[in-house]
Amino acid sequence: SQELEQSPQSLIVQEGKNLTINCTSSKTLYGLYWYKQKYGEGLIFLMMLQKGGEEKSHEKITAKLDEKKQQSSLHITASQPSHAGIYLCGADNGGSGGSNYKLTFGKGTLLTVNP
Amino acid sequence: DGGITQSPKYLFRKEGQNVTLSCEQNLNHDAMYWYRQDPGQGLRLIYYSQIVNDFQKGDIAEGYSVSREKKESFPLTVTSAQKNPTAFYLCASSLSAGSYGYTFGSGTRLTVV
Repeated sequence: SQELEQSPQSLIVQEGKNLTINCTSSKTLYGLYWYKQKYGEGLIFLMMLQKGGEEKSHEKITAKLDEKKQQSSLHITASQPSHAGIYLCGADNGGSGGSNYKLTFGKGTLLTVNP
Repeated sequence: DGGITQSPKYLFRKEGQNVTLSCEQNLNHDAMYWYRQDPGQGLRLIYYSQIVNDFQKGDIAEGYSVSREKKESFPLTVTSAQKNPTAFYLCASSLSAGSYGYTFGSGTRLTVV
C-alpha cells in the first residue's frame, strides 16, 4: 500500500517568516492533494497536483510536485497566524493493483505561527 | 449551500454500547468515506462506498459497520467490538471514485466513558 511521509511533524515559526512542508511517497503519485485542518474540525481542500513538475499557488501558499512524482512541497510565504493549523497531504492510489480509488493521508504537520 | 453534515459534533458512549454516527451530503456525490483520526496517526480509512448499496472495508474496519441505503447518507456504527473507539471521526465524499479531491464534514468526536 502507498505510504506518505510528512516532514516536519511540527513547526513553530515567527509571523512573517517563510516555511516549507514536505510530503514524500513510497510510490508514484497519481494525484497529490493538500489539505488544511483546524484542531477539531474537518479538512479544507487547498490544492491538487497531478503532473510532474506542476506548481500551483493560492494567495501566499505554493505547492509543487517533483518531476518524478514522488515528492511534493508546500511553501508558505510571509506566514500569518491565520496559517496555523495541521497540514495534510493525501495521495490518490489511481485504482492501482485492482483496488478501488481511495486517498491515503500522511500524518500531518502541525504549524504554529507566533505573532 | 451544498456540503456534508456530520452529527453530533460530540458524542459520549458507555463502554459496551453501540453508537451510530450520522453523515449526510447534498452534493449528489456517488462516493463516500469514513476516516478515523488519532493524535500522531493521521487519517485512517475505515469504510468507503462508491455507489448506493455497496461498500468496502478500509484499512481498519474491525469493530465498525456501515450501510449505504441512500445516496445522501452513509452512517457509521461503532460497535462494542471496537477496542479503542475514542477518536475523531471524519466523513468525506467525492463526485465519483477516482474523481479529484474529497469534501469533508466537520467531524464527530467520540468519547467512551
